[in-house]
Amino acid sequence: ILNVEQSPQSLHVQEGDSTNFTCSFPSSNFYALHWYRWETAKSPEALFVMTLNGDEKKKGRISATLNTKEGYSYLYIKGSQPEDSATYLCAYLGRGTYKYIFGTGTRLKVLA
Amino acid sequence: KAGVTQTPRYLIKTRGQQVTLSCSPISGHRSVSWYQQTPGQGLQFLFEYFSETQRNKGNFPGRFSGRQFSNSRSEMNVSTLELGDSALYLCASSLGGASNTEAFFGQGTRLTVV
Repeated sequence: ILNVEQSPQSLHVQEGDSTNFTCSFPSSNFYALHWYRWETAKSPEALFVMTLNGDEKKKGRISATLNTKEGYSYLYIKGSQPEDSATYLCAYLGRGTYKYIFGTGTRLKVLA
Repeated sequence: KAGVTQTPRYLIKTRGQQVTLSCSPISGHRSVSWYQQTPGQGLQFLFEYFSETQRNKGNFPGRFSGRQFSNSRSEMNVSTLELGDSALYLCASSLGGASNTEAFFGQGTRLTVV
């Protein structure tokens, strides 16, 4: 059974703090890793699609890195804002499987 | 450009009944995936369709089935509903199910089985 784990499960930070979360996934048969942000009462929204070992992606204050050899990805948020409050999900895709395996997410709450 | 549309948004059914949920993908998207989310669980993969073919299926009983039409719209069906089937069902569409194409999610159908 393939496992994708995210840590921490939840996080409270003050506005302006920087934070990061971890996604661990199987290092074998890796094809892609996706990050999503899921705000309450909305649909999950894609943040990054990462495919190559050493990938670094950035969108505004949010960035992500990928290590496929050891099976982990980090998501960083710089200068957190209340609107960053959401659940952040990662999803692993194995080669040839067409099946995304999601982690249970990190719930971030940014306090004003 | 219209997003992914799921209907209905909310549904209440009785144990033993069956239900059909619908997902209309973004125009031009040929891959549709379905997921179940229950409290405390992550998104659990149900199945993925591409050009009317099911390419993979998750670990769910045979009561869960799906199909995709030639216009890429997809339906999932759950027969003989159980209380444990109460969940948020999400579908996502993408261009071709490939790794470098992001998936776009609908707002989900919240199913309650009583």
